[in-house]
Amino acid sequence: DIVMTQSPDSLAVSLGERATINCKSSQSVLHGSNNKNSLAWYQQKPGQPPKLLIYWASTRESGVPDRFSGSGSGTDFTLTISSLQAEDVAVYYCQQYYSTPYTFGQGTKLEIK
Amino acid sequence: QITLRESGPTLVKPTQTLTLTCALSGFSLSTSGVGVGWIRQPPGKALEWLVVIYWDDDKRYSPSLKSRLTITKDTSKNQVVLTMTNMDPVDTATYYCAHFNMDDTFDIWGQGTMVTVSS
Repeated sequence: DIVMTQSPDSLAVSLGERATINCKSSQSVLHGSNNKNSLAWYQQKPGQPPKLLIYWASTRESGVPDRFSGSGSGTDFTLTISSLQAEDVAVYYCQQYYSTPYTFGQGTKLEIK
Repeated sequence: QITLRESGPTLVKPTQTLTLTCALSGFSLSTSGVGVGWIRQPPGKALEWLVVIYWDDDKRYSPSLKSRLTITKDTSKNQVVLTMTNMDPVDTATYYCAHFNMDDTFDIWGQGTMVTVSS
């Protein structure tokens, strides 16, 4: 199985400031055939199901605000929120879909400082 | 508009078999390229991927749970059924079904159903 490790486990950021969450996979999730990274980011608010934010490591899902961006390749990835809003308080998960089982990271809890 | 809705028992006893149904709306599992997956989340813990079934009836199971899981689809009823045998208290979780799109991601999720395993 590919192990996904996120850092930090929790993060407190002031409103309007940048938030950065990291995700590392135990092996590369880069497809040689299409040069795409099979890495997604999800946001989960309390009492709600996860919501897809980013896929192919950097493609924003339709309707997701452009303050959310994804970057990285191979084994190291980052989710960045450029200017934190109150509604961004949530737990964020990365997930690889390079090979089954399609494993998730342990989650990063984002709060307002 | 794609929606998914999970249903099933809220309480099962240890050693019993859990059967969950995911009712699909707005898409068909006979459409090439799509799938439906199940993901669970114990209270206060992380997401755990369980299984995906594809439009062509291909199935991929989590190796750690493969011996206990069975997933089937009924395209006439537009639903997917998950069974998990020999339930244990550690299986207590919210179980989600989700639409698996042609980009291989879970883009639409059901609201989830909480299952408690207790005698």
